[in-house]
Amino acid sequence: DQQVKQNSPSLSVQEGRISILNCDYTNSMFDYFLWYKKYPAEGPTFLISISSIKDKNEDGRFTVFLNKSAKHLSLHIVPSQPGDSAVYFCAASRMNRDDKIIFGKGTRLHILP
Amino acid sequence: EPEVTQTPSHQVTQMGQEVILRCVPISNHLYFYWYRQILGQKVEFLVSFYNNEISEKSEIFDDQFSVERPDGSNFTLKIRSTKLEDSAMYFCASSEALHGHYSPLHFGNGTRLTVT
Repeated sequence: DQQVKQNSPSLSVQEGRISILNCDYTNSMFDYFLWYKKYPAEGPTFLISISSIKDKNEDGRFTVFLNKSAKHLSLHIVPSQPGDSAVYFCAASRMNRDDKIIFGKGTRLHILP
Repeated sequence: EPEVTQTPSHQVTQMGQEVILRCVPISNHLYFYWYRQILGQKVEFLVSFYNNEISEKSEIFDDQFSVERPDGSNFTLKIRSTKLEDSAMYFCASSEALHGHYSPLHFGNGTRLTVT
């Protein structure tokens, strides 16, 4: 049962361009969404989060957009840099229920020179 | 910056053997977790631990699994009798708030468990 879906296993983007990573979820009760980034041989590291009361959250080059009606969120990275090459995990939870975080399968982002 | 450390980085064991995966969470964190990732699959929640007891566990975390905080710093995951399907990357994590709400989960670099 995949409650959090990342349908693109990989994505290649030219350096300097915008990277858009997409995520869909099925559980309408989710109210807190996160993106984690993972380099090889390292654990996931927190990148950015968004509460369901907002539709956008920005932190430097990273912006997360939430479309609750479509049960969709996306992570925009602009401009993309070589160090952004990593696996990006979308995650969601029901914060109002103190529920565990559910992760997607991840999308591998390649930034091309 | 403080970090979660895990040992060993890679553990190879034979089916049926017991393994203990070790973790040192960030010292001022109160909540501890184990997650695992089977190759090519999603990162899956196994168990959360708070105040010296399990606060939540997934259906994966059956009687073959146990966790312990034997002293003030270590947090261990024991698999009593390993199966081939236990082969995965096991991540330990810790946080100030439950499930990383308001305060994100900090993950270790993982232990790759290979069961042969």
